[in-house]
Amino acid sequence: GIQVEQSPPDLILQEGANSTLRCNFSDSVNNLQWFHQNPWGQLINLFYIPSGTKQNGRLSATTVATERYSLLYISSSQTTDSGVYFCAVVGTDSWGKLQFGAGTQVVVTP
Amino acid sequence: NAGVTQTPKFRVLKTGQSMTLLCAQDMNHEYMYWYRQDPGMGLRLIHYSVGEGTTAKGEVPDGYNVSRLKKQNFLLGLESAAPSQTSVYFCASSYVAGGRNTGELFFGEGSRLTVL
Repeated sequence: GIQVEQSPPDLILQEGANSTLRCNFSDSVNNLQWFHQNPWGQLINLFYIPSGTKQNGRLSATTVATERYSLLYISSSQTTDSGVYFCAVVGTDSWGKLQFGAGTQVVVTP
Repeated sequence: NAGVTQTPKFRVLKTGQSMTLLCAQDMNHEYMYWYRQDPGMGLRLIHYSVGEGTTAKGEVPDGYNVSRLKKQNFLLGLESAAPSQTSVYFCASSYVAGGRNTGELFFGEGSRLTVL
């Protein structure tokens, strides 16, 4: 099956800093999503981005499908950005099952 | 719209007891899923459904049963709970576009189950 690797595994940021999270995948995809799991355990859908660039407030994401990676940018980080960020993909030969990466644990300190 | 709603949010069971987790979605999505999340294991797919009246096994189906009698509801049952089923359970749904499952998942808030 398709492999999904996220980096870095852990990230500590000071409030106000910018950061980039990376997701590499091993095969062609029909879908790629970024999720944020907050410290209370809720999984929040950030972006549905099989290709191209999207922005939502301080967050933006870019997927370069031909090179098999996606980037999530967090600008002017806030303590509420803390949590785990997951990348998940659907391979082109899949019925729609999402394959999740292991996640990036982000801690934003005041 | 409520999106995806799971009940109950928390439950404690004794080994051997049975219970059912209910997932309801009001987005008219065709696909529904049950995942479990364990520390260090990420999200693993238990069962899924491609439409009303259909179910299929995921990665870790043993010890669980599911039913999808109505399009908006997907039930996860534990017939005889075991401590290994202590976990956080997430329900999700996705929609079809262009005749194909988009795989764009919308998650419920999770249900924390402890089996003693």
